[in-house]
Amino acid sequence: AQSVAQPEDQVNVAEGNPLTVKCTYSVSGNPYLFWYVQYPNRGLQFLLKYITGDNLVKGSYGFEAEFNKSQTSFHLKKPSALVSDSALYFCAVRSLTGGFKTIFGAGTRLFVKA
Amino acid sequence: IAGITQAPTSQILAAGRRMTLRCTQDMRHNAMYWYRQDLGLGLRLIHYSNTAGTTGKGEVPDGYSVSRANTDDFPLTLASAVPSQTSVYFCASSARDSNPLEQFFGPGTRLTVL
Repeated sequence: AQSVAQPEDQVNVAEGNPLTVKCTYSVSGNPYLFWYVQYPNRGLQFLLKYITGDNLVKGSYGFEAEFNKSQTSFHLKKPSALVSDSALYFCAVRSLTGGFKTIFGAGTRLFVKA
Repeated sequence: IAGITQAPTSQILAAGRRMTLRCTQDMRHNAMYWYRQDLGLGLRLIHYSNTAGTTGKGEVPDGYSVSRANTDDFPLTLASAVPSQTSVYFCASSARDSNPLEQFFGPGTRLTVL
């Protein structure tokens, strides 16, 4: 069965410091991996995805994520955090053998302090 | 309309009442989805539709029904609401279900069942 784990409920970083939001997954077959961001009282917005190819994926707002097959991880990163990055971040996974269904993690709340 | 709209924005409902949450998209996406978001659980898929005229059950379908009479609309109905259905409901769509494309989310409906 497909599953996604975001081991941290909350991540705190200072503005200007690098940030990492962790995600590990379990799927049968090749994974398709996604990161979404949710701002207060809003729907989720797509940030980036990994389908195939280069393990380092670049997305919106300066975010990037690295696919690591051996560790079954897809951590979200940003070299220099902004206060405006404070939001709820969701990792999601989908595989062809799982059909169309996308499974979302529980979410990680990111706080960036000025 | 640009993207996905949901109505109502919020609703307080007495237990046992019937309620329909509306979702409309103008992107001509084939696939549409309904999720509920609960604290600590992330997003859970309720029902989905691969294309107009077809629907399927997600992870937590009990107590909910959907229809997909046309491409644009995907209403979610609670036949007899119960307090455990208190949640934030998000409608989403994606361009093609056979490809792992990202999903676009509506702004959500906050439902409280008393």
